[in-house]
Amino acid sequence: AQSVTQPDIHITVSEGASLELRCNYSYGATPYLFWYVQSPGQGLQLLLKYFSGDTLVQGIKGFEAEFKRSQSSFNLRKPSVHWSDAAEYFCAVGVDRRGSTLGRLYFGRGTQLTVWP
Amino acid sequence: DAGVTQSPTHLIKTRGQQVTLRCSPKSGHDTVSWYQQALGQGPQFIFQYYEEEERQRGNFPDRFSGHQFPNYSSELNVNALLLGDSALYLCAVENRGRETQYFGPGTRLLVL
Repeated sequence: AQSVTQPDIHITVSEGASLELRCNYSYGATPYLFWYVQSPGQGLQLLLKYFSGDTLVQGIKGFEAEFKRSQSSFNLRKPSVHWSDAAEYFCAVGVDRRGSTLGRLYFGRGTQLTVWP
Repeated sequence: DAGVTQSPTHLIKTRGQQVTLRCSPKSGHDTVSWYQQALGQGPQFIFQYYEEEERQRGNFPDRFSGHQFPNYSSELNVNALLLGDSALYLCAVENRGRETQYFGPGTRLLVL
């Protein structure tokens, strides 16, 4: 069965420090990969996505992610964190593409990011 | 702005009651998926609608049902509510061929 693992439930960093959030998935082929961010009481906002091609993808708000096939990972990074980045981050994979629709997404449990001033 | 609205924003029901949640995509988003997000968890896929038909379904009981209208808007119905149905219900829309889902703000349901 497909699974998405975010091993870090909670990460705390100081403002200005670098950030890496980990994501591993279990699936034979290369899935569609996404990172979403959720502020308290809000829906999910898409940060970035990877389908194919260059394994380093850029997203909004200065985030980037790198797909590593050998490690089945899609880690999210940011070189300098801002206080406004405090939120919950979700990694998701799409493996059930049907025709021209993406199909269901499988989500990790999320990583809560706290930013110290 | 994902261009999708959900209503209501919050809802309180009691066990055994029925609830209907609504999702309205903007023009061009013809595929609607519903997810349940329990507190402290990632979203769990309920089902997906496209061309007014249920195309995929997750591991949810038949108490959860849905509908998609010709204008692509969608409803999620939950019958015989249980305390465990308390969650944030998210609608995600997709423009067929774009292979990306955009989420609405969600409806927070509390079952007492």
